[in-house]
Amino acid sequence: GDSVTQMEGPVTLSEEAFLTINCTYTATGYPSLFWYVQYPGEGLQLLLKATKADDKGSNKGFEATYRKETTSFHLEKGSVQVSDSAVYFCALSGDQAGTALIFGKGTTLSVSS
Amino acid sequence: NAGVTQTPKFQVLKTGQSMTLQCAQDMNHNSMYWYRQDPGMGLRLIYYSASEGTTDKGEVPNGYNVSRLNKREFSLRLESAAPSQTSVYFCASSDRGDTEAFFGQGTRLTVV
Repeated sequence: GDSVTQMEGPVTLSEEAFLTINCTYTATGYPSLFWYVQYPGEGLQLLLKATKADDKGSNKGFEATYRKETTSFHLEKGSVQVSDSAVYFCALSGDQAGTALIFGKGTTLSVSS
Repeated sequence: NAGVTQTPKFQVLKTGQSMTLQCAQDMNHNSMYWYRQDPGMGLRLIYYSASEGTTDKGEVPNGYNVSRLNKREFSLRLESAAPSQTSVYFCASSDRGDTEAFFGQGTRLTVV
């Protein structure tokens, strides 16, 4: 079945460092890909998404490009801030109505000043 | 704008007790979902409802039942709680399965 694999955490960075969180997927058809973020004590919220190959999703300085040839959707940010400390989840959804989001296990990011 | 509302936010149960987690959305979404979040396991789908009147099992349905009461409400019931069901439960909704999902704030359930 469909699945998402993302890099294990935690990831610990200093402020202004470059961030990459790797995400690869296995899916049939043409899934949509998402990054969600969870701040402490809160639910998940959408960070960015891409719905077809070569699309780039971006938001709040974060970017991810849908790479069908490598089945990847890596999250990047050029300069992280302390406020970016959170848990990041990569997810996919099938291309059929009636499917549900499938999540990776999450990567905890901790940014220090 | 309430979005997705879950009740209760916290609950402690004794083994064998039953309870129902409530979820309501005000975005007129067709699809609703229940996930559980455990350390190191990410979010795992328990049940989902692609549209009013339908429900389907997810990855970890054992020990749970659901009811799609109407388009707005989707409840999750634990008939006989077990310590393995200690978790944080999230309800979510979306227009359809391949669009953005909106999440509630979660219910932290402890079974002792």
